[in-house]
This record gives sequence, C-alpha cells and structure tokens, in this order.
Amino acid sequence: GENVEQHPSTLSVQEGDSAVIKCTYSDSASNYFPWYKQELGKRPQLIIDIRSNVGEKKDQRIAVTLNKTAKHFSLHITETQPEDSAVYFCAASIGDTGRRALTFGSGTRLQVQP
Amino acid sequence: DTGVSQDPRHKITKRGQNVTFRCDPISEHNRLYWYRQTLGQGPEFLTYFQNEAQLEKSRLLSDRFSAERPKGSFSTLEIQRTEQGDSAMYLCASSFGTGDEKLFFGSGTQLSVL
Repeated sequence: GENVEQHPSTLSVQEGDSAVIKCTYSDSASNYFPWYKQELGKRPQLIIDIRSNVGEKKDQRIAVTLNKTAKHFSLHITETQPEDSAVYFCAASIGDTGRRALTFGSGTRLQVQP
Repeated sequence: DTGVSQDPRHKITKRGQNVTFRCDPISEHNRLYWYRQTLGQGPEFLTYFQNEAQLEKSRLLSDRFSAERPKGSFSTLEIQRTEQGDSAMYLCASSFGTGDEKLFFGSGTQLSVL
C-alpha cells in the first residue's frame, strides 16, 4: 500500500514569513495529491490539490509543487497570517482507473506568531 | 443539507461492548468514506463506498469492524467487542465524482473505550 511521510511535524514562523511543508510518497502509481487544513476542533478542509500531469499549482498565497521522479510534493504558504495557524495534512491517492482512497501524512502543526 | 453529519458526536463505552456510528453524507454525493484519527496523527483510511457498494477496505481493519451503506445514502460503522485501542475520532467524508474529487468531512464521532 501507499505510505506518505510528512515533515516537519511542527513549524513556527513569524507573521509575514513563508512556510514550507514537505511530503514523500512510496507508490509511483499515485497521481492525486491534495492538502487539507484542520483547525483546532474542526474538520479537515481541502485547501489545494495537484494532479500528476502538472508540476506546480498556485492559488493566491498557497502553492503546491510536485516532483514525480523523486516522489515528493510540497506546500508553500507565503505572507503567512495568524489565521494560517492549523494542522496541515498532505495525502496521496490513485484516481480514475485503479482507484485507491486517500492516504494521509501525519500532519504538520503550523503556528504563525503575530 | 449543509454538510456531512455524524451521530453521535461523542460515545463512551466499556471494553467489550459494541458501538454503532451513523453518517449522513451530502445528499447528491455518491461516495462515502470512513477514516479514523488519533491525536497527533493524520486520518487513517478504513473503508469507502460508491453508492451502496463497498469498494475498498483497509487491510489494517480487523473483522470487528463492519460498515454498511444499504441504500446508497447514509452509512453505519459498527465496532464489535471494543478495545481500548479503538479509542479515536471516527471521521466520515463524502464526495461526488468519477475520479479525484474534494472530500467533505463530517465533524466526527469521538469514541472513548474505558
């Protein structure tokens, strides 16, 4: 099965700085890589995703990059704000044919200091 | 229908008892997932349904766990002969599509086995 590893487990940055969270996956057949944000006591919510046919995707202050050869993908948050403080989870799955449900990483607790 | 709902929100039980949780997905969603999350970890996949068919089940799932989605709408997850290691947040999620798509999570059922 798939194994997704995520680093770091905790990350503290000053407001306005950038934050980078990295994940590696084991199954080269994985082709869908979403990122979920979970605020304290709340449900996980999708913030951005990328498919294996692209190398980078950006949405305002959030971007995700994918390196299929190395089997790793990263979340980049620029100009961090206190409301970005949360736990972030990466995940990987096989979509379309040969579908396999999402396997999540262990999470990164991001704390943005005002 | 404003989202995925789960019932109960909290369940405390004694070791050896059976428990059942319910999930009501967003009404037009054809896929329903069960995940388990413990403190400091990412959601761990348990099983998923497309309509009423159970298409995937985690190999880590013991035979004490069973899930149903009899009419392709709500789903139930039953744990028989509960153990202390079953204590966790049980999350349900739903989605609509034929490939990769955004998961909408419920608020979860927090199970405590004494």
